[in-house]
Amino acid sequence: EIVLTQSPGTLSLSPGERATLSCRASHSVASTYLAWYQQKPGQPPRLLLYGASSRATGVPDRFSGSGSESDFTLVISRLEPEDFAVYYCQQYGFSPLTFGQGTKVEVK
Amino acid sequence: EVQLLESGGRLVQTGGSLRLSCAASGFTFRGYTMNWVRQAPGKGLEWVSTISENGESTFYGDSVKGRFTISRDNSKNTLFLEMNSLRGEDTAVYYCAKDSYDTGGFLAGMDVWGNGTTVTVSS
Repeated sequence: EIVLTQSPGTLSLSPGERATLSCRASHSVASTYLAWYQQKPGQPPRLLLYGASSRATGVPDRFSGSGSESDFTLVISRLEPEDFAVYYCQQYGFSPLTFGQGTKVEVK
Repeated sequence: EVQLLESGGRLVQTGGSLRLSCAASGFTFRGYTMNWVRQAPGKGLEWVSTISENGESTFYGDSVKGRFTISRDNSKNTLFLEMNSLRGEDTAVYYCAKDSYDTGGFLAGMDVWGNGTTVTVSS
């Protein structure tokens, strides 16, 4: 099983600041099969990025992703009020599919 | 509008059984791999199961293997999850989610999610 470890657990930032979230895999993951999701309280997850760096339909360009093999990064260039949420990475290249434990981006 | 609507969640006793359904609309259901993902109260996301477009291939997480069965009825645009021998640790919101594909035909994450149905297992 590929274990995804996200850091930090919580990120306290102000609107307008840059957020950098990390996702580290226990084994190499093809970047083709790495996704990021955003989840707000009481809502289902929303797909943000797939293939490590491709934005899903309707996702603003302030969200960007990068990385390969076992290190991946999600960057939110300038936090908007609606961006404060929990973010999960997921690998879907190997069964079992696995998610990271999540990074909460909260208002400082 | 592309939509997934889960149903069937309720309070059930330990050791009991439950069948969840997920009604799909707004897209060609038979053309997509489908998933169940769950989230225990206050916890993160856990993949449960995946089924291929025609239902012939199924995959399960270790925690549910042998107890849960995923299936689909493409004529009714509906996904199912049969849950047996339920345990307290199965308590969660269960989401169904549609796989997506990029222009090259590669998997591109789960792009449509339902709002979830809540399963509570208690003695």
